[in-house]
Amino acid sequence: DGGITQSPKYLFRKEGQNVTLSCEQNLNHDAMYWYRQDPGQGLRLIYYSQIVNDFQKGDIAEGYSVSREKKESFPLTVTSAQKNPTAFYLCASSKIGLGETQYFGPGTRLLVL
Amino acid sequence: GENVEQHPSTLSVQEGDSAVIKCTYSDSASNYFPWYKQELGKRPQLIIDIRSNVGEKKDQRIAVTLNKTAKHFSLHITETQPEDSAVYFCAASSSSGSARQLTFGSGTQLTVLP
Repeated sequence: DGGITQSPKYLFRKEGQNVTLSCEQNLNHDAMYWYRQDPGQGLRLIYYSQIVNDFQKGDIAEGYSVSREKKESFPLTVTSAQKNPTAFYLCASSKIGLGETQYFGPGTRLLVL
Repeated sequence: GENVEQHPSTLSVQEGDSAVIKCTYSDSASNYFPWYKQELGKRPQLIIDIRSNVGEKKDQRIAVTLNKTAKHFSLHITETQPEDSAVYFCAASSSSGSARQLTFGSGTQLTVLP
């Protein structure tokens, strides 16, 4: 899982501002995922992508957007439409197939000023 | 969609005792069940997983059991050690297309008391 990096480690957002979280992997994985983690709750899927230039909404996609222009990169934008963005954001990647492990990045903690 | 419930939310055990965490799932099509361990401020890491064609899997002090009929699966940790203290998450997945969508439980905070 050391092949997945996220930046920044901490991010502060002002009201009305869009912010972008970076996720890069060098594991040659086809699939990439974004999860949101709130205290006392499990991880919830925001978006996922199986292939370049294609992505699918997860359970809580409203207020978020993604792009997948390169296999290695899957940035997440938290838009001003997301009214409660304070959370720990985790990116993951995996090969495609039954039982393929999802490996997680170190996470970005987003805080609202 | 899939719904995963996890119990208990907190668990304290004495060092050397066993710990058991249980999860139930709703979608009978789910066929892959991983368990992740997350230490404070760190990323989740896979510790063990099981597929629906297997009833039990063991890896040293860790084992997972699956009951497909009842739609529940459990994590068993034997001879617990202080370094086992962490939050443990179960997850269930039914592959939709090619990418595997995981639905996570809400987590169990395990504390191993010395």
